[in-house]
Amino acid sequence: RKEVEQDPGPFNVPEGATVAFNCTYSNSASQSFFWYRQDCRKEPKLLMSVYSSGNEDGRFTAQLNRASQYISLLIRDSKLSDSATYLCVVNMAGSARQLTFGSGTQLTVLP
Amino acid sequence: DADVTQTPRNRITKTGKRIMLECSQTKGHDRMYWYRQDPGLGLRLIYYSFDVKDINKGEISDGYSVSRQAQAKFSLSLESAIPNQTALYFCATSEKGQGYYNEQFFGPGTRLTVL
Repeated sequence: RKEVEQDPGPFNVPEGATVAFNCTYSNSASQSFFWYRQDCRKEPKLLMSVYSSGNEDGRFTAQLNRASQYISLLIRDSKLSDSATYLCVVNMAGSARQLTFGSGTQLTVLP
Repeated sequence: DADVTQTPRNRITKTGKRIMLECSQTKGHDRMYWYRQDPGLGLRLIYYSFDVKDINKGEISDGYSVSRQAQAKFSLSLESAIPNQTALYFCATSEKGQGYYNEQFFGPGTRLTVL
């Protein structure tokens, strides 16, 4: 089992749609969680951190469910510019100085 | 100007050759990292350095070595390149903070092909 698992997609959605991605992690003692965005052939960039109470940034909402060991990202009112790969990132307990990246979920927003 | 730069951006080499990938940053961060990215596998950590005298192996360090020449420079070497080291390589930096989990800033990547 991968330490951080994501549905690779691709998710193809029309502009204006709401889309949700889930990510599961294997180590229940993991402490920190993030979503990064990676455009095609570009470097990853932090989209948002994920807090226990959930957090929202504009059209993006991140949730953490520790009991089920999953993280979610909800994108509302999708824009063409949201097309990218979304990486789930976890600090795995026992690897205090390292982050573990999921392999990413590809999103294409269609006009 | 980019805060994290990598050279070269693309490199094609042959099996057995020695290759060095270089990373420089102007962000003033203490922490630097080298990752490789392969299709379907995500980013995997090769080496990381929390300051000039602190260098640590990551998940997949075999076949690689690093040098932290200064706070701003972190080089990755492949002593004898092999085809399965063909990948996209990223350098990243982060601030030293209260926790270990500060945002990482990535360079533009180096696409390496080993024939």
